[in-house]
Amino acid sequence: SQTIHQWPATLVQPVGSPLSLECTVEGTSNPNLYWYRQAAGRGLQLLFYSVGIGQISSEVPQNLSASRPQDRQFILSSKKLLLSDSGFYLCAWSVPRQGRYGYTFGSGTRLTVV
Amino acid sequence: QKEVEQDPGPLSVPEGAIVSLNCTYSNSAFQYFMWYRQYSRKGPELLMYTYSSGNKEDGRFTAQVDKSSKYISLFIRDSQPSDSATYLCAMSQTGANNLFFGTGTRLTVIP
Repeated sequence: SQTIHQWPATLVQPVGSPLSLECTVEGTSNPNLYWYRQAAGRGLQLLFYSVGIGQISSEVPQNLSASRPQDRQFILSSKKLLLSDSGFYLCAWSVPRQGRYGYTFGSGTRLTVV
Repeated sequence: QKEVEQDPGPLSVPEGAIVSLNCTYSNSAFQYFMWYRQYSRKGPELLMYTYSSGNKEDGRFTAQVDKSSKYISLFIRDSQPSDSATYLCAMSQTGANNLFFGTGTRLTVIP
């Protein structure tokens, strides 16, 4: 069966420090991968999505970047964190060309920038 | 206008009550409709999936789609404290890979 792993679960980082969040998927090949940020009362904001290795689409301009160095690995990064980067970050995957049937989410990373 | 509108609540009900959660949408091309449940500090999990119009029942949960009104609902019968969570609706259209999410409704079931 397919599983998605996301870590760390909680992270507290100072302003100006770098960030690296990792997400891996098991049990499937060539998944579509997504990074979302969820702020209280504001719903899910799509940050990046990827349909293949090295293929990244950015949905909003921001202080973050994403990379997909391997088929089932998706990394969210920042060179210098801002206070506004605090939030709950979620990785998700879907079957290629079948995202309309739903995504499977990871357990999320709670990031607090101080 | 947002693609998907959802009342954020919060909604508090006594145990055993019938809960009605709703979303409206503007894109008439949406054909695939989902409800996700998200417990505090966890990722959303797919709860119900329906295609096009009609009802779908799974235990205490019923998903209803009214495409003529662009309105979807999730009913929870005999609500339990374990149903306390945020419920997000999501939808998509044929040939698309992207989902459009509502902002979520926070539900608390009081014992």
